[in-house]
Amino acid sequence: EVQLVQSGAEVKKPGESLKISCKGSGYSFTTYWIGWVRQMPGKGLEWMGIIYPGDSDTRYSPSFQGQVTISADKSISTAYLQWSSLKASDTAMYYCARRDLSNYYMDVWGKGTTVTVSS
Amino acid sequence: SYELTQPPSVSVSPGQTARITCSGDALPKQYAYWYQQKPGQAPVLVIYKDSERPSGIPERFSGSSSGTTVTLTISGVQAEDEADYYCQSADSRATYGVFGGGTKLTVL
Repeated sequence: EVQLVQSGAEVKKPGESLKISCKGSGYSFTTYWIGWVRQMPGKGLEWMGIIYPGDSDTRYSPSFQGQVTISADKSISTAYLQWSSLKASDTAMYYCARRDLSNYYMDVWGKGTTVTVSS
Repeated sequence: SYELTQPPSVSVSPGQTARITCSGDALPKQYAYWYQQKPGQAPVLVIYKDSERPSGIPERFSGSSSGTTVTLTISGVQAEDEADYYCQSADSRATYGVFGGGTKLTVL
């Protein structure tokens, strides 16, 4: 079974750093893009960026460029989303999802990681 | 940056047809995709490449495209179809993806 397993919920303070993870299984991790999607409380989905674990090629939405870092460790089939200095406005649910090989749709989704940033 | 525009809400009675539109300048060049999201759940792909339906998605879900607008149609709406629906596509150069703002489908 193809699945993406995300790390657990996080509660952090403003200014702290954070790295959340997404582990793929049941398919060839290095040959599909992995994307990250933000959903702030009560709001819509926002496309953040994607990474191709095979060569670490990474693309960001202009809205998130410079705000987060997406990375991957293909040796353990895991993608990451990280912040160097969290803000309260980073409070959201973050989903990872597998992107189709040839098109931009996400066909397999993780269950999401809740990030709460509060002093 | 590139944007996709959806109506915030659509309401229909059970058995009727719901149509949800999504507009964007690059839609003639890039495919559109549709996701259904129910409260507390991850999104589920219901239409890909404008009009293709993934396996396991009921036939009442269909998609179409015309110029800068794509449409998700749900025929014979059922109570279980009440959810938020998001269109998604890519910018004209396929550099990054983008979601529409989402449409809340209410089944009266």
